[in-house]
Amino acid sequence: TQLLEQSPQFLSIQEGENLTVYCNSSSVFSSLQWYRQEPGEGPVLLVTVVTGGEVKKLKRLTFQFGDARKDSSLHITAAQPGDTGLYLCAGGGPAGNNRKLIWGLGTSLAVNP
Amino acid sequence: NAGVTQTPKFQVLKTGQSMTLQCAQDMNHNSMYWYRQDPGMGLRLIYYSASEGTTDKGEVPNGYNVSRLNKREFSLRLESAAPSQTSVYFCASTIGGSVQSQHFGDGTRLSIL
Repeated sequence: TQLLEQSPQFLSIQEGENLTVYCNSSSVFSSLQWYRQEPGEGPVLLVTVVTGGEVKKLKRLTFQFGDARKDSSLHITAAQPGDTGLYLCAGGGPAGNNRKLIWGLGTSLAVNP
Repeated sequence: NAGVTQTPKFQVLKTGQSMTLQCAQDMNHNSMYWYRQDPGMGLRLIYYSASEGTTDKGEVPNGYNVSRLNKREFSLRLESAAPSQTSVYFCASTIGGSVQSQHFGDGTRLSIL
């Protein structure tokens, strides 16, 4: 069974601080996605990475896919209260088993003003 | 641009009652999914439909049935609700293909007494 472990589980920081969230597995994924979920809403896709070593930037958010495609990280620079939410990573299986994502349990981030 | 629409948003049932959760997407997506989200358990796949006319079990299908009514609509039915089915239910869709970037509805909050 493929598992995705996210760390930390909870994170509470002050506005302006930097942070990194990790998503790790012993399995190889064909793609890795990051979602953010706000209270009362469904997850919203932030980014998809598909190539080992790939780095994508979305304003103050930087996403990296590990070289071996087993892990990923999300780095937020100068966090703002609007970044508060649950961050979920999800892995796409290898070709032939790509219809179902493997989900991490999430990192709950609180950014205090 | 509605995306994925779920109805109802809230529902309270008594044990043993039945109900159907509705989901519709207007993005011409091929694949649709039903998840439940519980504290500490993350997102768990109940059923999915890779394409119109097909459905498959996910991780936690017991107690549920689904119908892919057409390309747009995918419903989830609880035949005899149990307190263990108290949860937030999310419907999602994806265009299909090798990268499964999913679009979610805002969820149905279901309580079973």
